[in-house]
Amino acid sequence: AQKVTQAQTEISVVEKEDVTLDCVYETRDTTYYLFWYKQPPSGELVFLIRRNSFDEQNEISGRYSWNFQKSTSSFNFTITASQVVDSAVYFCALDNFNKFYFGSGTKLNVKP
Amino acid sequence: NAGVTQTPKFRVLKTGQSMTLLCAQDMNHEYMYWYRQDPGMGLRLIHYSVGEGTTAKGEVPDGYNVSRLKKQNFLLGLESAAPSQTSVYFCASSFAPPRAYEQYFGPGTRLTVT
Repeated sequence: AQKVTQAQTEISVVEKEDVTLDCVYETRDTTYYLFWYKQPPSGELVFLIRRNSFDEQNEISGRYSWNFQKSTSSFNFTITASQVVDSAVYFCALDNFNKFYFGSGTKLNVKP
Repeated sequence: NAGVTQTPKFRVLKTGQSMTLLCAQDMNHEYMYWYRQDPGMGLRLIHYSVGEGTTAKGEVPDGYNVSRLKKQNFLLGLESAAPSQTSVYFCASSFAPPRAYEQYFGPGTRLTVT
């Protein structure tokens, strides 16, 4: 069975703090993709990053960074120096063979 | 370039009524998907299609049917709506892997079944 767990339901931080969103996944397959999406209050879903199971390199994009560790089945997302505009629900997702499984999401509140 | 569009944006149905949700994409994507989003549960895949004329079941397909007669369109049908189908429905599309495989989402359709 495939499963994605985002144990943090809601996180509140003050602007400029760093915050890490956790994602743990389960799959028996060796080939799969992992994703992060952002859903701001307006409701649309915005793609942030894709990682395939054979690429464990961490990635940094501006204030965003991702830590993929197959040994612990985790794909964590860190926002450095958070901003109010980062307030949103963030979803981690797992795909193998075209079936996507989303976590339940982490709501991030960034206060000024 | 409109991306992924969904029609309608809102709909209220009575139990037992039927309706069709339309998803259209103009990015020449091979894959298309229908999800539902319920509070606290993230998105769940209903059905998906890997090409024109093909469809497959996702995680929660019961009570829904789909069709993909044209590459750019993916229709989701509810034959006899039930209150449990009250949800926000999202359509998405993507290229086939290993090309850029991220999904592009439509704005969503909020459906209420009374």
